[in-house]
Amino acid sequence: DQQVKQNSPSLSVQEGRISILNCDYTNSMFDYFLWYKKYPAEGPTFLISISSIKDKNEDGRFTVFLNKSAKHLSLHIVPSQPGDSAVYFCAAIPNTGNQFYFGTGTSLTVIP
Amino acid sequence: EPEVTQTPSHQVTQMGQEVILRCVPISNHLYFYWYRQILGQKVEFLVSFYNNEISEKSEIFDDQFSVERPDGSNFTLKIRSTKLEDSAMYFCASSERDLPITQYFGPGTRLTVL
Repeated sequence: DQQVKQNSPSLSVQEGRISILNCDYTNSMFDYFLWYKKYPAEGPTFLISISSIKDKNEDGRFTVFLNKSAKHLSLHIVPSQPGDSAVYFCAAIPNTGNQFYFGTGTSLTVIP
Repeated sequence: EPEVTQTPSHQVTQMGQEVILRCVPISNHLYFYWYRQILGQKVEFLVSFYNNEISEKSEIFDDQFSVERPDGSNFTLKIRSTKLEDSAMYFCASSERDLPITQYFGPGTRLTVL
């Protein structure tokens, strides 16, 4: 069962513009969400997280928005840079345990 | 910056053989995890390990899988009798404290079962 969904397998954005990566979830027990970035031949690296008590968290060029009623979160990257080209995974953790539930990833290409 | 390392980077094995995937977590971390990603699919949680015992495991982590911290630095995943569907990238991760603190992932071991 796909409890965390990233419906866009790929996204291309011009350098300097905004990248918006989307993630939807179905389990209302999820209360912590993370975004990971993965380059080829490397493991996922943590990017930014948000607790369910917040609706926004910002760290430099990266902002994550959480809409609990819609069970939707998004990652905004502004401005996008070529080095941001990677696969981005959304992950969620339920309040009942410590398992991560990952989405299938979105491959972002930032065009110079 | 400290990092999680994994060996080998690529393991090829015959169906039915046993494999051991090795991980060296970050030295002051106490929580350890294994994940796998079948090609083109999502990253899936397998197991978490703390204080020399499994703290949580998924339904994927059946009797053919086992984990061990044999010597205080390595963290291993053993697959007893590999199946074709075990072919995947296996990621080890470690964290200093329990979730939801961030985990540091290793680069992964690509397991190919023939």
